Amino acid sequence: DTGVSQDPRHKITKRGQNVTFRCDPISEHNRLYWYRQTLGQGPEFLTYFQNEAQLEKSRLLSDRFSAERPKGSFSTLEIQRTEQGDSAMYLCASSFRTGSTGELFFGEGSRLTVL
Amino acid sequence: EDQVTQSPEALRLQEGESSSLNCSYTVSGLRGLFWYRQDPGKGPEFLFTLYSAGEEKEKERLKATLTKKESFLHITAPKPEDSATYLCAVRADSGGYQKVTFGTGTKLQVIP
Repeated sequence: DTGVSQDPRHKITKRGQNVTFRCDPISEHNRLYWYRQTLGQGPEFLTYFQNEAQLEKSRLLSDRFSAERPKGSFSTLEIQRTEQGDSAMYLCASSFRTGSTGELFFGEGSRLTVL
Repeated sequence: EDQVTQSPEALRLQEGESSSLNCSYTVSGLRGLFWYRQDPGKGPEFLFTLYSAGEEKEKERLKATLTKKESFLHITAPKPEDSATYLCAVRADSGGYQKVTFGTGTKLQVIP
C-alpha cells in the first residue's frame, strides 16, 4: 500500500486554461474527498464520493469545478477557465466507511498556480 | 454551521518548553475529532482520533484530550522536529452525510 497519490504535484497555467488533477486513493478505501487549501488556512471541503457516487458538493464550489470517480477507483478534479483565485493546494483524501476510526488519509497535494 | 477554532495561530517554543494547543468546536452530532500534523508543502498527516469527552490519546511527546466543547494537544518537551502546523478537524452529521471540517491550524516553531 503506497498511500494516496496525486498527480501532478505542481501545475502552472495561464488564466482561462483548463486543468485536471488526478487522485489515486488507498485501494481498500471507498470514500474519497477533495479539499482546497490556501496559504495560512486549513483545508476547505470541496466534494466527497462514496464509491462512484458524488454525495456532497460544497456550496462554495463554482460551476467551473467538476469531479468524477468512475468505477469507484481513481478520481479527477477539473477546473475550467481558471482564474487567479483558483491558485491553491488541492488535496485528495480517502477513508474507510465510518464505523472504524474514520480518519482521512491525505495525499501530498497538487499545487496550482494561475498566472 | 459547524465551526472549528484553533488557538493560538502561531506558537514559538524553546526546545524542552512544554505547552498546549487549543481546538474549540461547535457542531451538532459530533462523530469524531481529529488532530493532524502538516509540514510545509505536504498533505496533512493523521495523528489522533478522539470520540468522547474524557478520552485521551498519546504518541511520543504529544497527548490529545477532549471535552464537550474543546480539545487540547499537549506537547511535552518539544524538539525542533516537532515544528509544523497542527490542524484540528471534526466529523459531524450533516444531512445524512458526515462532513469533516478543519480549523485554520496552529503553526508551531520549536527553537533549539
